[in-house]
Amino acid sequence: ETGVTQSPTHLIKTRGQQVTLRCSSQSGHNTVSWYQQALGQGPQFIFQYYREEENGRGNFPPRFSGLQFPNYSSELNVNALELDDSALYLCASSLAVGGAQETQYFGPGTRLLVL
Amino acid sequence: SQQGEEDPQALSIQEGENATMNCSYKTSINNLQWYRQNSGRGLVHLILIRSNEREKHSGRLRVTLDTSKKSSSLLITASRAADTASYFCATRNTGANSKLTFGKGITLSVRP
Repeated sequence: ETGVTQSPTHLIKTRGQQVTLRCSSQSGHNTVSWYQQALGQGPQFIFQYYREEENGRGNFPPRFSGLQFPNYSSELNVNALELDDSALYLCASSLAVGGAQETQYFGPGTRLLVL
Repeated sequence: SQQGEEDPQALSIQEGENATMNCSYKTSINNLQWYRQNSGRGLVHLILIRSNEREKHSGRLRVTLDTSKKSSSLLITASRAADTASYFCATRNTGANSKLTFGKGITLSVRP
């Protein structure tokens, strides 16, 4: 157990809908990263938040957005869902000190199915 | 885009044997990490090796890094059935706002 929790564990949505996924970071961590993992693939970096501000983003469209709260928990929002958004969404928390960030601790993921 | 490319894509060995998995990458890195994933669940961090390190051990795990060849290997000694999982290498690039980039993974099956 890493201490990183995600909710919900599973979710079914239809195309065009919006979804919010939640992540609670490990205690003491100030950075959270979100990843999308399609079946049979490695995780793809979506974005990262440090002290409530986005400080890195992968190749994902603006309909993927996020928030980090003062307690360092985080949300991933996806608007106008598409079939290809079906995937396992993973969040990972870490402690960044002086700009250096090392080990990330992953949550169990939220499996999203878009019909 | 995937930075790390692992090989082989799949590996099947007998319990007790050693498993060697390789990873190659393309750009300069700050560190390289190996993760394990069971049945599509969350990833478990196994080991991190920095760009100025060449070899690291953790229990039955041994990882090497050759920055001149941009490659790394993970050795699991005396494998167990419980080692059956997918293994990913991930690289953290240098520079500001560095991110972790994963490969596609290796599926390891350890037969009892």
